[in-house]
Formats: sequence, structure tokens, C-alpha cells
Amino acid sequence: QAVVTQEPSLTVSPGGTVTLTCGSSTEAVTSGHYPYWFQQKPGQAPRSLIYNTNNRHSWTPARFSGSLLGGKAALTLSGAQPEDEADYYCLLSYSGPYVFGTGTKVTVL
Amino acid sequence: QMQLQESGPGLVKPSETLSLTCSVSGGSISSSSYYWTWIRQPPGKGLEWIGSVYYTGGTYYNPSLKSRVTISEDSSKNQFSLNVRSVTAADTALYYCAREEFDSSSSWFDPWGQGTLVTVSS
Repeated sequence: QAVVTQEPSLTVSPGGTVTLTCGSSTEAVTSGHYPYWFQQKPGQAPRSLIYNTNNRHSWTPARFSGSLLGGKAALTLSGAQPEDEADYYCLLSYSGPYVFGTGTKVTVL
Repeated sequence: QMQLQESGPGLVKPSETLSLTCSVSGGSISSSSYYWTWIRQPPGKGLEWIGSVYYTGGTYYNPSLKSRVTISEDSSKNQFSLNVRSVTAADTALYYCAREEFDSSSSWFDPWGQGTLVTVSS
């Protein structure tokens, strides 16, 4: 089974930009993995932010965007807000089974 | 608006079977546009996808858990269930149920239940 790796932690200044990545141990990440991104705040269930690489939900702030970057999936936060401090998880599809990434803790400081 | 709620014992003994139910309100489980999913999170750790069931009863599982896990649906009760056999302390986690909705080109996971903590201990 693939291991999906994310940066353990990242820090961004308020108003700044940060990019989180999501890599697979077995192959380059492509649109065929339908990359998903979730945000989880302490004591809460995860919330879907991005699906199918770069699709936002109606509740996803426009400052979040998804892409593919250098063989990985990426989540870019542009114009970080204090309320964006959270854990972020990617999820990849492997033609049926899914694998979550290891998670990234984003600090806005 | 659809809501999901997990229920089940909060404490299970080692080697026994963990059984949880996810009750769905505000919509039918018998929709061709949804998969019903279980995900877990050990305390202080990351998320793990366990598996999913379709309203027809079709399932797919995490290969690392497949030998111990069964997910089933009960359309008459509008709920779906998770059984994990031969549990150990490593199965201690917050268990979430979620809906995977899909269309012709994409799928997304929303909504999620609030999660239920299951501790494996004698």
C-alpha cells in the first residue's frame, strides 16, 4: 500500500502565502488520484476543502487553491488568516482504495 | 440537510469485535450517488480510510484492514455499520462516518459525523 507524505508542519505569516504538498511513495501524483484536501481544527471533524485536484466547495474560501506541482498534489493558501490555523490532510484515490496523507499542521504566526 | 451520527460502545475488550452504526437523517441511504464511508483517527494521530459501502451492498476496503473489517448497509433503518474483528489497542481511535457523493467526474466527502471514540482495553 502506498504511503502518502505531507510536510509535518508549516508556519505562515498573517496575509502570507504557503503551499502544502502531498506525495505518493509509489508514483507521481496525477489527476487520476483525484486529490482531495481536508481541514481539521482541534476537537472538530475534518471538513472537505478541495476535491478532484482543484475544485472548491461553496464553503471553501477563495484563498485556498489546489493544483499539481512537480509530481505532487498541492494546496496553496494565499492571504492566510488566523482562522486557517489547523491540520490539513490530503487524500488520494488508488483506483478504489483511498490513502490519507500524513497531515500538515499549519501555524499562522 | 443530511446529517450523520455514529453510535456504539465506547469500550471494547482486546480480541473482541468493535461494532459501530452510522445513522443517516435528512436523506436516503439508498441513493445511487453516494458511497457511505468509515474513517478513523487514533488519538493525536492522522486519518485512516477504512472502507466504503454502496446502497447495493457493494464494498471496498483498506487492504491493510480488509481481513478484519466488514461494512454493511441497512436501507430499512437508513443506516450503515462497521465491524472490526479481533481488535487490539492499535484499533483505539475516533471513528467517523462520512458520505462520499459522486457525479460523472468527481467525488467529495461531505458531510461527516462528529465522530465516536472507541477505546480497546481490558
